[in-house]
Amino acid sequence: RKEVEQDPGPFNVPEGATVAFNCTYSNSASQSFFWYRQDCRKEPKLLMSVYSSGNEDGRFTAQLNRASQYISLLIRDSKLSDSATYLCVVDFGNEKLTFGTGTRLTIIP
Amino acid sequence: NAGVMQNPRHLVRRRGQEARLRCSPMKGHSHVYWYRQLPEEGLKFMVYLQKENIIDESGMPKERFSAEFPKEGPSILRIQQVVRGDSAAYFCASSPLGRRETQYFGPGTRLLVL
Repeated sequence: RKEVEQDPGPFNVPEGATVAFNCTYSNSASQSFFWYRQDCRKEPKLLMSVYSSGNEDGRFTAQLNRASQYISLLIRDSKLSDSATYLCVVDFGNEKLTFGTGTRLTIIP
Repeated sequence: NAGVMQNPRHLVRRRGQEARLRCSPMKGHSHVYWYRQLPEEGLKFMVYLQKENIIDESGMPKERFSAEFPKEGPSILRIQQVVRGDSAAYFCASSPLGRRETQYFGPGTRLLVL
C-alpha cells in the first residue's frame, strides 16, 4: 500500500463547478499535511497547509480526518486557472515530505 | 528576494557520463532537500542536507548518487555513470532553520539520458 494515495483522475469539470479531491495516508503518526499544486513541467507550489480543525483560503477548503487518515480539498467556483495537478503531501515527522502521485484537474470553459 | 535556484534547467547526458545538478537555497535557508520525479509519477524524497552535513539520505540509490552542501556555495547532486532510468526531473527545496514544514521548491533540473 502506498504511503499517500490519491485518485489520479483526470477530473474534467466545467468552469464554475465545485470539485473535491480526497487523499488517504498510511501512517497514523503523521504530523503535518499539505496540498501542493503543480503546473505542467513546473515545480510544486504550496497551496495550503491542512489543520485538524479544517481551514479555508478563499475558494479553497481543506479538511483533515485523523481517525480515518483522510485529507480532502474542495475548490468552489472553479476557474480556468485552477487547471493543474494537485498533490497531497504528508510529513511523517521525519523532516521529509511524502507526496501522492497527484490528481489532475482540467477546468473546461 | 530570490527563490530557490537550480541549474542547469535542462541537462542532456549520454549513458556513462556524469551529471551535476546545483541548487542554491533561498536566502537565510539552511536546510536543503532533493526530490526526484519520474515521468507520470509523484515526487520521491532523495536526501536532506544541512550545511556540511547529510541528515537523511534514505531515499538515495545506493550506488552512483551522492550529494553535498558545502559551507560555501550551492548544494550539488551528483550522478555518476548515468543510465536511461535516471532521466527525470530533479527538484531541490529549501526551508529556514526551525521551520522544517515549509519547503519552497526550485524550478527543477530536467535530466535526459540518451
